[in-house]
Amino acid sequence: QQPVQSPQAVILREGEDAVINCSSSKALYSVHWYRQKHGEAPVFLMILLKGGEQKGHDKISASFNEKKQQSSLYLTASQLSYSGTYFCGTESGSGNTGKLIFGQGTTLQVKP
Amino acid sequence: KAGVTQTPRYLIKTRGQQVTLSCSPISGHRSVSWYQQTPGQGLQFLFEYFSETQRNKGNFPGRFSGRQFSNSRSEMNVSTLELGDSALYLCASNKGRGGPRIMNTEAFFGQGTRLTVV
Repeated sequence: QQPVQSPQAVILREGEDAVINCSSSKALYSVHWYRQKHGEAPVFLMILLKGGEQKGHDKISASFNEKKQQSSLYLTASQLSYSGTYFCGTESGSGNTGKLIFGQGTTLQVKP
Repeated sequence: KAGVTQTPRYLIKTRGQQVTLSCSPISGHRSVSWYQQTPGQGLQFLFEYFSETQRNKGNFPGRFSGRQFSNSRSEMNVSTLELGDSALYLCASNKGRGGPRIMNTEAFFGQGTRLTVV
């Protein structure tokens, strides 16, 4: 089942903060976050694993609440380059499936 | 280090035809996943291959198939094309995992193949 992302869209001014949420109805093994700019491939940002391990971007942080099957991506002091569509991809069960189910995306626009 | 390469980048086909798309993963990566991206449905998982074996398949009809070669390169095939198959097809590679205790790794996407069915 597809995870639900919120908000669907957000507009920020440079320097402002944003939070993007991802919620699943299934028990999750991992959550992956990607950003896609128009006409480009999705780019890996962050991976969060059940048990607390995480790996990713220096300037972007995220959290993973295993009990609630929710993850949040925190964008602080946003820059123009942060604009794009953010996707969370979830992996269920015991992992090692190579299969990510993506949310519908959150469009972020950062204005000067 | 070369990234994920997908060929061709653009393709126009007629309804009823078939098409084969290619994906060369990052050197050393053994897992290749395929996704279909459309404005209405977003990113949808098609299938994943690891060491030439399909490990998972999404909810797509049998017209969609794939394979992986010993050098980890992968192809996907769509037969009897329909207008609704028009989409951006993305492949993603990652190191893959040989067992449950190996940490998950990030997937790197190719630029995709834009398929238009007319």
